[in-house]
Amino acid sequence: KAGVTQTPRYLIKTRGQQVTLSCSPISGHRSVSWYQQTPGQGLQFLFEYFSETQRNKGNFPGRFSGRQFSNSRSEMNVSTLELGDSALYLCASSLGLAGGQYEQYFGPGTRLTVT
Amino acid sequence: AQSVTQLGSHVSVSEGALVLLRCNYSSSVPPYLFWYVQYPNQGLQLLLKYTTGATLVKGINGFEAEFKKSETSFHLTKPSAHMSDAAEYFCAVREGLGGGATNKLIFGTGTLLAVQP
Repeated sequence: KAGVTQTPRYLIKTRGQQVTLSCSPISGHRSVSWYQQTPGQGLQFLFEYFSETQRNKGNFPGRFSGRQFSNSRSEMNVSTLELGDSALYLCASSLGLAGGQYEQYFGPGTRLTVT
Repeated sequence: AQSVTQLGSHVSVSEGALVLLRCNYSSSVPPYLFWYVQYPNQGLQLLLKYTTGATLVKGINGFEAEFKKSETSFHLTKPSAHMSDAAEYFCAVREGLGGGATNKLIFGTGTLLAVQP
């Protein structure tokens, strides 16, 4: 079974631009979560989607948005990029949400560098 | 609100020695606890998890952790370190009530494990 895939793996953008990151969950998984990882702030939760609905959102500005499609694939978008948005963005998928007991499987991440 | 504290951002052990990575949690409800490992330039891999039941949890690669409610701890151990264990380890707690419908994880700051030959 293929794991969680994230594209692109590396991305360099200029301050002020926008970027879209993609995540394809494991086949059959309906829940997708996104995390931002930086040396200073560590791992921080961005959003969680289940069946195309955003179920939970972290404490990030409105420049960060996401969505999930009917095939469970998810995208996140960051508009008006700032230098501080440079990070590793991780996507995780799981079968569902029931009781939070489902294991989450993480993708390799997208390394975003903002110059 | 739940939180996790990992004591020691860097831990160094000799190959073959005991590995002990410390994690303390704060939660007003029964917690779901996890340990993840991250190798350079990779995502997170689940080592083990505690939800309910047996407090001693065995995971992959010879790791195990014990949930101690009285100490609010979930320390990760491995009897004998291997060079391939060198990586960063994260402890995490799932947000919300035990039966709540979310997978949101709150992570500790991580512990970088070095294994000396």
